[in-house]
Amino acid sequence: NAGVTQTPKFRVLKTGQSMTLLCAQDMNHEYMYWYRQDPGMGLRLIHYSVGEGTTAKGEVPDGYNVSRLKKQNFLLGLESAAPSQTSVYFCASRFEGGNQPQHFGDGTRLSIL
Amino acid sequence: RKEVEQDPGPFNVPEGATVAFNCTYSNSASQSFFWYRQDCRKEPKLLMSVYSSGNEDGRFTAQLNRASQYISLLIRDSKLSDSATYLCVVNIDFNKFYFGSGTKLNVKP
Repeated sequence: NAGVTQTPKFRVLKTGQSMTLLCAQDMNHEYMYWYRQDPGMGLRLIHYSVGEGTTAKGEVPDGYNVSRLKKQNFLLGLESAAPSQTSVYFCASRFEGGNQPQHFGDGTRLSIL
Repeated sequence: RKEVEQDPGPFNVPEGATVAFNCTYSNSASQSFFWYRQDCRKEPKLLMSVYSSGNEDGRFTAQLNRASQYISLLIRDSKLSDSATYLCVVNIDFNKFYFGSGTKLNVKP
C-alpha cells in the first residue's frame, strides 16, 4: 500500500519555466490538498479538492493551478515559476468527516533560480 | 494573530525525561485537533488525534482545553528516536487545517 505518492521528489527550475507536480493516493480518499512549507512557518494551504472534478483555493493560491480529473490524482501546476515559489511542497489526502486526519506524501523540493 | 501558535523550542532533554508541549489556537469554532511529528526534511506523520476527554497512546498523552483554547502533548520516558519537530494542527472545517510552526525536541543520551 503506497499511501500518498508525490513526483518528482526534487526539481530545479529557471524563472519563468512551467512544471506540474503529481500527487497520487491509493486510499480512496475524497479530499486532497496541496501545501507548501517554508522555513520557520507552518504548512500553508495552496489549493484543495473535495472530490473528482472539484478544486478550490486555499490560503496562498496565487501563481498555482490545480486539477483533479481522477479521484486518485491531484495535480499542482506552476505556469511561470518565480523564486518566491522555492519551497517544499506536500500533498495530503483524507476521508470525509470532521475528525479524519490528513495523510501526507513525502514532499517535493522545488528550487527556482 | 496566528491561528495556531507553538513554542519553537528547542527542548533539549535527557533520555528518560518527561517533556510537555503546549499549543494555543485562536478560533473557538475549531472542531478537531491533531499532533503530527516531522523529522528533518521529511513529511509530517500523524502522531495522534486529540479528543475532548484527553487520550493516551503508549508514552504519549494528549489533552484539550477548550475553555483556554490550547492542546498539550506529554511524552514520558523520552527516547532518542523521539527527537523531531512536533506540529500542532487545528481543523475548523473540511478545508481549513491550520498548522503550527512546530516545536523542536532534542533527546540527548
